[in-house]
Parts: sequence; C-alpha cells; structure tokens
Amino acid sequence: GAGVSQSPSNKVTEKGKDVELRCDPISGHTALYWYRQSLGQGLEFLIYFQGNSAPDKSGLPSDRFSAERTGGSVSTLTIQRTQQEDSAVYLCASTRGDFHNEQFFGPGTRLTVL
Amino acid sequence: GDSVTQMEGPVTLSEEAFLTINCTYTATGYPSLFWYVQYPGEGLQLLLKATKADDKGSNKGFEATYRKETTSFHLEKGSVQVSDSAVYFCARTLSNTGKLIFGQGTTLQVKP
Repeated sequence: GAGVSQSPSNKVTEKGKDVELRCDPISGHTALYWYRQSLGQGLEFLIYFQGNSAPDKSGLPSDRFSAERTGGSVSTLTIQRTQQEDSAVYLCASTRGDFHNEQFFGPGTRLTVL
Repeated sequence: GDSVTQMEGPVTLSEEAFLTINCTYTATGYPSLFWYVQYPGEGLQLLLKATKADDKGSNKGFEATYRKETTSFHLEKGSVQVSDSAVYFCARTLSNTGKLIFGQGTTLQVKP
C-alpha cells in the first residue's frame, strides 16, 4: 500500500520568504508527527497531531513555525519569514496511534534557505 | 530531561566483523525503545523495537535487548555485511504523546 508521502521533495527559497510543506500520512493513521533533521541538531521533534488536534507543539522552534491538519489526514507545516538556520530535512511520520507501534516516515522535504 | 545517547561514529568495520552500537536513555516513564536505520539516499525505517524491560527486538540479524537496570538498548550483529552500511538511530518514545526522542545517530561503514 501507499506509504507516507511528502511534497515537495526539495525546496529552495530566499531568506524572508514563506514556505509550505505537505505531508500525506498512511490512510487510517490517526497520529502524525513532524520532525526536523539537520547536521547540527540531529533529529528533532517538532509537533504531534492526534486527529486534527495538536496536543504537543513543544518542538516548534519559534512562532514563525505553524502546522495544521485537516480531515484527520493531510498536514501542512508552514514556515514564515524563513531564515538560513531553517535549512534542514523536514520529516513527517504517521502511526495508528498506539505509542508502542512503529512510526512510518516519509522521504522528507529538503529545505534550503539562501 | 528525556534524552538518548549513542556512541559516536563513524564506525568502520570489515565484512563479517561483530558490531555493537551502544545506546543509553533517560529513565522517565515507561518508554518503548527503537532502532531506526537510514540507508544512503533513503528514508528512515524501523529496524527493531522493544516495548518493555527484558524484551529483545530482532530483525535482519540485528538484536537489541531492553535493559531497564542499565537503561540501555545496545544494537548488535554477529556478522556485518557491506549492505549494512548506513546511519543507525536509537530512539525512545514519551508515553504521553508517542513522540520519538532520537540519539545523534551512528554512521556504520562496512568494508569488503
């Protein structure tokens, strides 16, 4: 079956521009997570959705970062006024909601801020 | 706070050598423990997991045992292959949200 998909796969933007990153989780997966992978910081949690609600936003690095999820499915991560330190690979993962289960990761969006 | 610590890499081994990658975690709550692997040019995928103390996860010849007394989850393989070259991440969940806390990753390079 289809896995987690993310778009775009690569995004190059200029400093100060806004970007939107999209995640399509596996159908039926109620829990959705965003992580960021960067050279300096490793793999960091950003935000967790259960259905359309985000009970844990503790990993969002600043108020320039926001995310939403609609219909219990697609999620969008928005970064406003991008900075060079936002350059990273943004990963999305989904799971059925049992916290002991595997999280299935998408291929990621590589964001480069010039 | 909650954290996972892995041995620093890179680790370079010859084919058929024995592999150990150490991983320790902070002992808050009752986490599940995971090893994820990232092969060159590919996404993160689960290698193995253990959900309670003394559980042993295993897959593709890799094993790791959930040791509560030493808060460890070391990854082992008896005989590595060139195809095992990848970055390995140890991770734990936080039980109230399921979010993963990752170690810094260990790069393994296996030479023929």
